[in-house]
Amino acid sequence: GAGVSQSPSNKVTEKGKDVELRCDPISGHTALYWYRQSLGQGLEFLIYFQGNSAPDKSGLPSDRFSAERTGGSVSTLTIQRTQQEDSAVYLCASSFRLAGMGDTQYFGPGTRLTVL
Amino acid sequence: DQQVKQNSPSLSVQEGRISILNCDYTNSMFDYFLWYKKYPAEGPTFLISISSIKDKNEDGRFTVFLNKSAKHLSLHIVPSQPGDSAVYFCAATANAGGTSYGKLTFGQGTILTVHP
Repeated sequence: GAGVSQSPSNKVTEKGKDVELRCDPISGHTALYWYRQSLGQGLEFLIYFQGNSAPDKSGLPSDRFSAERTGGSVSTLTIQRTQQEDSAVYLCASSFRLAGMGDTQYFGPGTRLTVL
Repeated sequence: DQQVKQNSPSLSVQEGRISILNCDYTNSMFDYFLWYKKYPAEGPTFLISISSIKDKNEDGRFTVFLNKSAKHLSLHIVPSQPGDSAVYFCAATANAGGTSYGKLTFGQGTILTVHP
């Protein structure tokens, strides 16, 4: 497809379980971002990838959160030992990241995570 | 510390009239600004952007104005249509010099309702 895709679209899990969320960016986009939107909140930055490396992980809320990107393409966000406060919509975005230029990010549809 | 603020949680407008959505920011390092539209259960859709070297950018019915001295931007939609009803987010990033990684800082969003 032409846009950013994410899977699953919905995930319901029990507290304490691990979950993996997947993002397929737009082909050729070098930069990939994860954000999340909790209920009633704005979008919150989690992590940024340039290629396969993550120069900015400053938004990850705890060490239960990790992410990787392979082949400069697909990224996986993993949440270990999920807690109820992890319930949110997790959004992935990608862009052509050119230093010093405006960076328009294109978003996927998101994964709605519910932790019971 | 909310660096990007949308002080109006909602806005109601009659079809055919102008919609004006406002956004204020505090970080003087921000140099690229974007507006996104979001429908329920979908990811944000990019609408229009503006670099800090400009004070206006226009694309069809959408115009974004930037007042750097006031750290204020606004999105004008003329004429408004019922299909424009959605949540609108402004976002900002710092790109100059390649020292930032392009992460977006979002406002809380404004719900726009356009009545037929």
